[in-house]
Amino acid sequence: SSELTQDPAVSVALGQTVRITCQGDSLVDFYASWYQQKPGQAPLLIIYGANNRPSGIPDRFSGSSSGNTASLTITGAQAEDEADYYCNSRDRRDHRVFGGGTKLTVL
Amino acid sequence: QVELQQSGPGLVKPSQTLSLTCAISGDSVSSNSAAWNWIRQSPSRGLEWLGRTYYRSKWYNDYALSVQSRITITPDTSKNQFSLHLNSVIPEDTAMYYCARDRPDILDGFQPWGQGTLVIVSS
Repeated sequence: SSELTQDPAVSVALGQTVRITCQGDSLVDFYASWYQQKPGQAPLLIIYGANNRPSGIPDRFSGSSSGNTASLTITGAQAEDEADYYCNSRDRRDHRVFGGGTKLTVL
Repeated sequence: QVELQQSGPGLVKPSQTLSLTCAISGDSVSSNSAAWNWIRQSPSRGLEWLGRTYYRSKWYNDYALSVQSRITITPDTSKNQFSLHLNSVIPEDTAMYYCARDRPDILDGFQPWGQGTLVIVSS
């Protein structure tokens, strides 16, 4: 299957750590990339590859992977991290697939 | 700094063709390390990758199975841009459409993205 599954919603207390997960068969073979999307904006790449951040992305964002699950961790969540988060990977045809997204609420 | 600027109509009638263009600055549509993608987003379908065009000594295209029979993505080297054509549109094609670059061997992720174009399919 080329589907990627995410929890629809997650919440975290301000300053605490939260992990957002993405499950799918393709993740056994391919890394996930992670995107943050705020209302009215295009998605923004925040993690790619094993655990790489594009320039300008705070180091409180990190990525990891184990088996068929990729994870995005925010260590010390800030109010501005409240957003939708999407994972993306590829299938065996090299087509790209997105997860359904996780809405993160910072309490 | 690479920027993508989208253009095209925001309203398309059912059964007609949706056409959008993405103009590239700061990179080349003929780059041997980039791929140029179209992605859409709707409340019912979430983010959906539609397809891409890329140049590796010759031009290639890949299309999502969900739209494969209706989609064409074409590069325009003279204007350094690429276009999406989706024919026989239905109301379910109503979505925000984005163009985006990825460079699989350098930075395996979509960056940057265009500003988005809301396309409504309605008579």
